[in-house]
Amino acid sequence: QQQVKQSPQSLIVQKGGISIINCAYENTAFDYFPWYQQFPGKGPALLIAIRPDVSEKKEGRFTISFNKSAKQFSLHIMDSQPGDSATYFCAASRDFGNEKLTFGTGTRLTIIP
Amino acid sequence: ETGVTQSPTHLIKTRGQQVTLRCSSQSGHNTVSWYQQALGQGPQFIFQYYREEENGRGNFPPRFSGLQFPNYSSELNVNALELDDSALYLCASSRPLDSNEQFFGPGTRLTVL
Repeated sequence: QQQVKQSPQSLIVQKGGISIINCAYENTAFDYFPWYQQFPGKGPALLIAIRPDVSEKKEGRFTISFNKSAKQFSLHIMDSQPGDSATYFCAASRDFGNEKLTFGTGTRLTIIP
Repeated sequence: ETGVTQSPTHLIKTRGQQVTLRCSSQSGHNTVSWYQQALGQGPQFIFQYYREEENGRGNFPPRFSGLQFPNYSSELNVNALELDDSALYLCASSRPLDSNEQFFGPGTRLTVL
């Protein structure tokens, strides 16, 4: 019940296009959903996070859409740029101090010119 | 860049040896969580330290142990290294009174031969 399933495993998008990565969770106690961006040889960097009191959160070109009834959330990257090429991880936890993050398996995103 | 630092950057050990990895948390953060990230996988929670006490543990054997010091820095110790311990070890710091936002360091790449 602790799993977070992420898809696709890899994604190739043309520069200027929209990149969409999807995640689904099972544990209904989860109420904090961050997305992390990781470049090769680096640690994950917090990109954007959402809590279930809203269905969408936007920060610049990055948007999280959240569907509580379906237990799904997704990351949309608008106007994708070559610098966005990285591995993206969704994660989930209870929004309570000291809670461990449960990560998805990651999506390797490649933006081509 | 987060204020979380880790040392060493890379480490090569042989099977059966012991290793100690170090982490300094971001200023103002009193909680450190350790994660293991195998190649091509999402990070897996090892354990968390809060106020110098272990506060939650993932599915890792007792040969994985840790410490947290009064300045909130932390160590991860692994005894009797196995080949499967080869991974990127990440620490993340947080301040639970604020939220569960966790900020990762760059990681230590451990190779066990």
